[in-house]
Amino acid sequence: GQNIDQPTEMTATEGAIVQINCTYQTSGFNGLFWYQQHAGEAPTFLSYNVLDGLEEKGRFSSFLSRSKGYSYLLLKELQMKDSASYLCAVRDSYNTDKLIFGTGTRLQVFP
Amino acid sequence: KAGVTQTPRYLIKTRGQQVTLSCSPISGHRSVSWYQQTPGQGLQFLFEYFSETQRNKGNFPGRFSGRQFSNSRSEMNVSTLELGDSALYLCASSLGLQDRGTGELFFGEGSRLTVL
Repeated sequence: GQNIDQPTEMTATEGAIVQINCTYQTSGFNGLFWYQQHAGEAPTFLSYNVLDGLEEKGRFSSFLSRSKGYSYLLLKELQMKDSASYLCAVRDSYNTDKLIFGTGTRLQVFP
Repeated sequence: KAGVTQTPRYLIKTRGQQVTLSCSPISGHRSVSWYQQTPGQGLQFLFEYFSETQRNKGNFPGRFSGRQFSNSRSEMNVSTLELGDSALYLCASSLGLQDRGTGELFFGEGSRLTVL
């Protein structure tokens, strides 16, 4: 089966660091994606991991452990504009490589 | 370069009616995927089209259908609407199929369907 779990909501303070976890169970694995979606807007691509380890891109980093079926998105120096939903998605290689999305984590950043 | 364009942005229908949603991908993108987004279920994959052919299909009933034209524009149709079909329908385009390269998807802002 396919299952992708993320916390539903998180809160953090401006300037802080927050880690959003994602665990997955899929028949196959061919990459993990993080997307950001502001309320009422389209999701936008943040990161892609296919090998174990950390990928850093500015204030955002994404980590993957394939053996544990685990990823996290790390947001540093939080800004108010980072308040959004963060979607974890796995490409399931046993399921025609479709992107399977989690339900998303709604992050609220407070001043 | 223009992004993914979806029309209409908002629409209200009643049960039993049908609806057609349209998606124009980014110029040069040949793959179009459709997703249904609801608060409880997140993004659920509907189907993917590439070069006018359906390449992948999600677990939705046959009431949900789609097609892609030679200019890569795509439409999806939902017949015999049910209350549970109320959702945001997102279209995403990519250069190639989702399984090629990073498979980054570029999303439109969606069509919000309300079924009364």
